[in-house]
Order: sequence, then C-alpha cells, then structure tokens
Amino acid sequence: QKEVEQNSGPLSVPEGAIASLNCTYSDRVSQSFFWYRQYSGKSPELIMSIYSNGDKEDGRFTAQLNKASQYVSLLIRDSQPSDSATYLCALSGYSSASKIIFGSGTRLSIRP
Amino acid sequence: DADVTQTPRNRITKTGKRIMLECSQTKGHDRMYWYRQDPGLGLRLIYYSFDVKDINKGEISDGYSVSRQAQAKFSLSLESAIPNQTALYFCATSDPGTPDTGELFFGEGSRLTVL
Repeated sequence: QKEVEQNSGPLSVPEGAIASLNCTYSDRVSQSFFWYRQYSGKSPELIMSIYSNGDKEDGRFTAQLNKASQYVSLLIRDSQPSDSATYLCALSGYSSASKIIFGSGTRLSIRP
Repeated sequence: DADVTQTPRNRITKTGKRIMLECSQTKGHDRMYWYRQDPGLGLRLIYYSFDVKDINKGEISDGYSVSRQAQAKFSLSLESAIPNQTALYFCATSDPGTPDTGELFFGEGSRLTVL
C-alpha cells in the first residue's frame, strides 16, 4: 500500500460548485498534512497545511483532517476556472527530521 | 531572479551518459530535496539533506547520487543514465524554523529525456 493515496481523477466540477478532493494515508504517526496545487508545466505551491483534527479554512479553501480514519480532504468553494490544476496531498511525520511524502495527485477541471 | 534555481531546465541525453542536475538557492534554507515527477505518480523523493553534512536517501535513490557542496547548492547525478530515468526533476528547499514545516519551495524543474 502506498503511503499516500489519492484518486487520480480527472475530477470535473462546474464553475461555482464545491470541489472535494480526498487523500488517505497509511502511517499513523504522520502529523502534518499539506495540500499543494500544481498548474500544468509549473512547480507545486503550498495552498493549505493542517496539523490538528477538524477543519481549517482559508478563503475559499477548507482542509479537513481526521487522524482516526487517516484521511485528509480539501474543499474548494465557489470553484473558478483558475482552480483547474493538479492537487497534491503531502505529509510528514512527528519529528522535525521527517521527510515530506507526496501522493500521486488529483487532476481537477472546472468547467464553465 | 528565482529563489531556487535549477540547471539545466531541459536536457536530452543518451543511455549510459553521466548527467548532473544542479540546484542553487538564495532563501538561506538548510534543508534541500530532490524529487522526480512522472505522469500519474506524483512527486517521489530521491534524496534529501538537512544540512551540509547530512545526506539521506529517499524513496527511489537507486541509480542516483547527490552532493551538497554548500548550504546553497545541492546537485543530483545520474552516473549512467537509463531511459526510465526520463522524468521531470524538482529541487526544493524548506526552513525547519517556520511554523509550516512542510512548506517546500520548489525550483522550476529540470526535464530530462534519456534516449
């Protein structure tokens, strides 16, 4: 089993709707979770980080973490065509010496 | 100028050739990483370095080696390139002193094609 699993998509969502992206992980000691956005041909950029169970909101983005069920999700409200990109889930372990591991990414397409 | 600079940006080479990808950064970060990206496989960690004297293998280090010449420079070498090393390679840095310890700052990528 891969350490970080994501549905590869593509996920197609109409403009203005909520896009829901999911990620599961296998290592229970994982402590820090991140969502990166990558536009085609570009490098990834961090959009959300979450460390505690529950929800964390930042503008149109909400990250949700459930450590008991080992999943983390990203909701994008009022989806815009500019949100069309690949979204990469990443995590790191408990210590500051932990490396950062990525999932395979979910391709999101927002249709006008 | 970019904070994390990778050279070359594109390279085509032949099987068996030695290739070096270079990464330099002006962010002052101690931590540097090399990832490779293949379609449908996301980013996979090749090597990482938490300071000049620290080098660690990642998920897929076989066939690769690295050198941390200085805090600002981290090079990735393919001693004898093979076609399945054709990929997009990213260098990244991070600062353990920031609250978001998972924030990686990426270079623009180096696209390598091995024929």
